[in-house]
Amino acid sequence: EVVMTQSPATLSVSPGERATLSCRASQSVSSNLAWYQQKPGQAPRLLIYGASTRATGFPARFSGSGSGTEFTLTISSLQSEDSAVYYCQQYNNWPRTFGQGTKVAIK
Amino acid sequence: QVQLVQSGAEVKKPGASVKVSCKASGYTFTSHAIHWVRQAPGQSLEWMGWINAGNGKTQSSQKFQGRVTITRDTSASTAFMELSSLSAEDTAVYYCARDSTMIGPLGCFDPWGQGTLVTVSS
Repeated sequence: EVVMTQSPATLSVSPGERATLSCRASQSVSSNLAWYQQKPGQAPRLLIYGASTRATGFPARFSGSGSGTEFTLTISSLQSEDSAVYYCQQYNNWPRTFGQGTKVAIK
Repeated sequence: QVQLVQSGAEVKKPGASVKVSCKASGYTFTSHAIHWVRQAPGQSLEWMGWINAGNGKTQSSQKFQGRVTITRDTSASTAFMELSSLSAEDTAVYYCARDSTMIGPLGCFDPWGQGTLVTVSS
């Protein structure tokens, strides 16, 4: 199965600063990569799909990039409401697999 | 709006089975696959399987083969996930999620149900 590795495990960023999250796949997943945001006690919510397309309802400060095995989620100017765990997921191969998550905290 | 509403929390004894439901609304139920994903306490997300809501075809992760049964009732726009031979390691929140594409289970997951906590304890 495709192993998804996220880094760092935890990221502490000041409001207004940039947050950069990484996701690496153990083999190419083309652009079939999604990012999800999960806040405490809530279900995950689709944030980015196709590696770089922002889902409905998310502001432009969220952006995704990459293809193949290396992917990045960038939050350009962190807001307090962005505090959450972010998961990457590949949907190119079976079984579908998720990364271990990056927890973004507000400094 | 598209919505998936799951059944309530369950407490089961080791060795028992649990069946979780996922009622869809806001779209044509048979046009999208439904996936099942679980999340153990403090852990990441683990894909379990999917069902083609149109023709009932299913596929499950090798990890759960023989223990998971995914079905649907098109008249009720509802998908079901049954997990048997439960152990403490199956304690988790179980989510259903709609596949984003209409041509099979080829997309990402959007939206998700609210989750169903299954606790396995003697």
